[in-house]
Amino acid sequence: NAGVMQNPRHLVRRRGQEARLRCSPMKGHSHVYWYRQLPEEGLKFMVYLQKENIIDESGMPKERFSAEFPKEGPSILRIQQVVRGDSAAYFCASSPGQGGNEKLFFGSGTQLSVL
Amino acid sequence: GEDVEQSLFLSVREGDSSVINCTYTDSSSTYLYWYKQEPGAGLQLLTYIFSNMDMKQDQRLTVLLNKKDKHLSLRIADTQTGDSAIYFCAESGNAGNNRKLIWGLGTSLAVNP
Repeated sequence: NAGVMQNPRHLVRRRGQEARLRCSPMKGHSHVYWYRQLPEEGLKFMVYLQKENIIDESGMPKERFSAEFPKEGPSILRIQQVVRGDSAAYFCASSPGQGGNEKLFFGSGTQLSVL
Repeated sequence: GEDVEQSLFLSVREGDSSVINCTYTDSSSTYLYWYKQEPGAGLQLLTYIFSNMDMKQDQRLTVLLNKKDKHLSLRIADTQTGDSAIYFCAESGNAGNNRKLIWGLGTSLAVNP
């Protein structure tokens, strides 16, 4: 059973370009979470999705950032018109369902570098 | 606001015990977690403790929780070179679920032969 798969591992973009980060949850998991780790900061919650639904996006910047988790295929975190401040490690996690203490299984992350 | 603090580095000799400390500010936290991150890998849940407990033991790992002082520690007995990694402390806040974990910056553990 493969773990949470994120790709690409490293993504380089120039300012103004779009970045697409993909996350395939563990088999059987229907809940996906995205976290961001900025340099010198801890991980920060961004968004929580279930299949075809955004449940909680309270940690997402209001502009340029969007996330989806379609019925088929991976979850996508999309950053439009990237700026240097978007450079960070983006981690995806999945869980089988929502409970009081669902274990989160994390991917290896995507390191986004904006030139 | 909510905050979790950890020391950034710890160096121990192989075979010694390691103690990684963490302080947090949210007294309503329901669960507190320790995650491990090895180089190039994702975050792996090591252990967690419910806030009404003060100790939890799992093989070489012992978690101690002092709720009054808002202090959490992770003790690794007989530390091995394979334990070298970054250890993150996280707390759940009062939501009782783990999607909005509040994370520390991580403690980098170096195990010297």
